[in-house]
Amino acid sequence: QVKLLQSGAALVKPGASVKMSCKASGYTFTDYWVSWVKQSHGKSLEWIGEIYPNSGATNFNEKFKGKATLTVDKSTSTAYMELSRLTSEDSAIYYCTRGASRFAYWGQGTLVTVSS
Amino acid sequence: DIQMTQTPSSMPASLGERVTISCRASQGISNYLNWYQQKPDGTIKPLIYYTSNLQSGVPSRFSGSGSGTDYSLTISSLEPEDFAMYYCQQYDSSPPTFGGGTKLELK
Repeated sequence: QVKLLQSGAALVKPGASVKMSCKASGYTFTDYWVSWVKQSHGKSLEWIGEIYPNSGATNFNEKFKGKATLTVDKSTSTAYMELSRLTSEDSAIYYCTRGASRFAYWGQGTLVTVSS
Repeated sequence: DIQMTQTPSSMPASLGERVTISCRASQGISNYLNWYQQKPDGTIKPLIYYTSNLQSGVPSRFSGSGSGTDYSLTISSLEPEDFAMYYCQQYDSSPPTFGGGTKLELK
C-alpha cells in the first residue's frame, strides 16, 4: 500500500535552515507529483509547492518562493523540503502528500519548532 | 488566489444526526473541489474528489455536491469516528487553496 513516511520533529534556531524528508513506498515514485503543505498551530492548510520526481520540475506558491526548496532522491524514493531563514512564523507541521491537485495520500507530518 | 470559506467553523452534533458542511469559493471553480478529514492526531484522509466522487474505502454515508462557487459535504448519519476536522480544497487554479476548516464536535 502507498505510504509516505516523514522525518521526525525538529527544533531549530531563528535564522537557521531545516531540511525534512518524505520517503515514499508502495508506488512508482517517479510517476506522481509530491506536494508539501503547511499547517500552523490550530490553523488551516497552505500549499507550499510541488515537485515531479521524474524530472525535478517544481512549482511554488508565490508566498513560499525563496523560503522553500524542494528536491528528490530517486534512488531512495525520497522527497525533501528545505526551509531557510527560519522565523517563528515557520513553526508549524509540514505534510508531504502525493498529488498535484487531488491529494490522495498524506504523510504523518513533521513538526518544526523555531525557537532560540 | 481563490479564497475558500467554510461554514460553520464548528458544529456540535449527535450520533446518528445528518450534518452538512458548506464551502464557498471566491470565484467559480468548475467542480474542482476536494474534501479531507483530519483527526486529532493530525492524520489527514481524503474523502471526496471532484465535488462528489467518493475516495476508495470511504463509507457511503459521506457525500458531496455543489457547483459554481457553492459546495457541501454531507454525512448522513454520524458515527463516533466522524468527529474530526473537515477541510475543502479547490484546484481550479494554482495555488490550490483550502477552506478554514469545520470542527465537528460531539454534542
